[in-house]
Amino acid sequence: NAGVTQTPKFQVLKTGQSMTLQCAQDMNHEYMSWYRQDPGMGLRLIHYSVGAGITDQGEVPNGYNVSRSTTEDFPLRLLSAAPSQTSVYFCASIGAGYTDTQYFGPGTRLTVL
Amino acid sequence: AQTVTQSQPEMSVQEAETVTLSCTYDTSESDYYLFWYKQPPSRQMILVIRQEAYKQQNATENRFSVNFQKAAKSFSLKISDSQLGDAAMYFCAYEYSGAGSYQLTFGKGTKLSVIP
Repeated sequence: NAGVTQTPKFQVLKTGQSMTLQCAQDMNHEYMSWYRQDPGMGLRLIHYSVGAGITDQGEVPNGYNVSRSTTEDFPLRLLSAAPSQTSVYFCASIGAGYTDTQYFGPGTRLTVL
Repeated sequence: AQTVTQSQPEMSVQEAETVTLSCTYDTSESDYYLFWYKQPPSRQMILVIRQEAYKQQNATENRFSVNFQKAAKSFSLKISDSQLGDAAMYFCAYEYSGAGSYQLTFGKGTKLSVIP
């Protein structure tokens, strides 16, 4: 069981470039989400998905796209990167039921120049 | 909207001593969950302890315990017998699981230093 995996671990982009942050989980979790963490801030929700084919916006969705074609994968796309998107990005997942807790991936540090 | 406030940006504690980290939150819901997460320099988010709002009993996990005051909307974390490995950022988080959304709202964190 690999848990929640994220690739890449580090990425440097130039303003205007696009890229996809990958997130995968092997726990058959229905719910997955993306957070960003900025200095001096806690994590803030970008987008989330309650199952394959279903996504919704969180607190800070602007500049990001998501899709959920399978239960396992939940990629986050930056269509035109901006310096304001420099941050650490975390993917998380949770199974159904009140006894479960969210599992976080190791994070991706993204720098946009 | 829910908010989570951690009023102590930084704290320090002597090794083997006890420290309490504060957290307050604001919500209009009656059923929710509260968490403390630890983030060491590796940046991995590690769950320390979880509290269900419907439970009056305070959660404990080994050296970690909480003081949950629902009416006051307060959720503090007590670390007993502090160890060097406890040095990290600690985040308080709120989760309302209504409609299966599982959205977490985080505080800004408290940086804990442990002095040998």
